[in-house]
Amino acid sequence: DIVMTQTPLSSPVTLGQPASISCRSSQSLVHSDGNTYLSWLQQRPGQPPRLLIYKISNRFSGVPDRFSGSGAGTDFTLKISRVEAEDVGLYYCVQAAQFPWTFGQGTKVEIK
Amino acid sequence: QVQLLQSGGGVVQPGRSLRLSCAASGFAFGSNGMHWVRQAPGKGLEWVAVIWYDGSEKYYADSVKGRFTISRDNSKSTMDLQMNSLRVEDTAVYYCARWGNDKVLDYWGQGALVTVSS
Repeated sequence: DIVMTQTPLSSPVTLGQPASISCRSSQSLVHSDGNTYLSWLQQRPGQPPRLLIYKISNRFSGVPDRFSGSGAGTDFTLKISRVEAEDVGLYYCVQAAQFPWTFGQGTKVEIK
Repeated sequence: QVQLLQSGGGVVQPGRSLRLSCAASGFAFGSNGMHWVRQAPGKGLEWVAVIWYDGSEKYYADSVKGRFTISRDNSKSTMDLQMNSLRVEDTAVYYCARWGNDKVLDYWGQGALVTVSS
């Protein structure tokens, strides 16, 4: 199974300041079709997860442009350019390159 | 709009069975694969199972293989998870999620809490 490792596990951020989360996979997420199936999910407290980013850097419908994704191969990053109060919650990377799909441990974004 | 409405869940003793359901609306259900993902209390997300859009293929996490069965009825736009031989470690909120384009989990149900306890 592909192991997904996120850092940091906790990220206290000042409102209006940027935040960055790293995700590393134990093997390349490049699929045989040439695409890299790495997504990011947000889970606000008490809510189901919500898709933010897919295929490394594509924002899902309705996601604010302060969220961006980057990376390649085995190293990926989610950035929030200016954290807002509604961004508090857990963030997960997830790989869909092969079954079983696997998630990172989650990174908690909180306001300082 | 896409909606996934879950039912089932509850408290069950170890070794017993429980069935979860996920009713879909707002999209052509028979065109999308569907997943189950779970989250133990205070823990992260764990992928559980997937079923192809036509039910032709199914895959399971090793932790539930042989005990859980995923199924779907495209005529009713529903998906189920039959959970047998439940263990304490199966205690979690179970989410159904749609398999969207580009291999994503693009829409999620509200979750159903399953508690396995004697």
